[in-house]
Amino acid sequence: DTAVSQTPKYLVTQMGNDKSIKCEQNLGHDTMYWYKQDSKKFLKIMFSYNNKELIINETVPNRFSPKSPDKAHLNLHINSLELGDSAVYFCASSRVTRELFFGEGSRLTVL
Amino acid sequence: GNSVTQMEGPVTLSEEAFLTINCTYTATGYPSLFWYVQYPGEGLQLLLKATKADDKGSNKGFEATYRKETTSFHLEKGSVQVSDSAVYFCALDSGGGADGLTFGKGTHLIIQP
Repeated sequence: DTAVSQTPKYLVTQMGNDKSIKCEQNLGHDTMYWYKQDSKKFLKIMFSYNNKELIINETVPNRFSPKSPDKAHLNLHINSLELGDSAVYFCASSRVTRELFFGEGSRLTVL
Repeated sequence: GNSVTQMEGPVTLSEEAFLTINCTYTATGYPSLFWYVQYPGEGLQLLLKATKADDKGSNKGFEATYRKETTSFHLEKGSVQVSDSAVYFCALDSGGGADGLTFGKGTHLIIQP
């Protein structure tokens, strides 16, 4: 069984559109994260969500919003997509030890 | 703030060569240290970790020792294989709340037959 799963794996869309990426973890972890990986493989944390506490990286535009219907899900919604949003987005989860378990990534291409 | 510095790649080696990927860090307190590996088209996977000074993490023939005096966590492998080709990330966790890990920029490793 996949521990952290994200959908869709690939997403191609036009500038200005709104899109969502879903993430689910079946590990029973308390904390979930969204990371953005750019074309140079650099990883940057966007959000973390723990027991309904949301911690936002201050550099993330407010067009990005995480939504957590329950402890096992953390979805990422993006409004008014821009060219610079093209990247691979990774969901991850962890327990207290903070060893991260990553999903396989969702490659977003904005045209 | 916390930061991780890795040697820049790509690093290209022949099969069976000795591998070292350097990693140094800046952090307050006593962070836990990690190496993650990302194979092409996949997410990151934990390779090994160390939680205190002088600990050695090891997995799949890779090793790294937590050196507090030099603030380093260099990754080594005695004999690399083509299947080791991937991007390797050094990371630290300073335990400061639900803010995830701080990652280095990654080192792309290419092993040639």
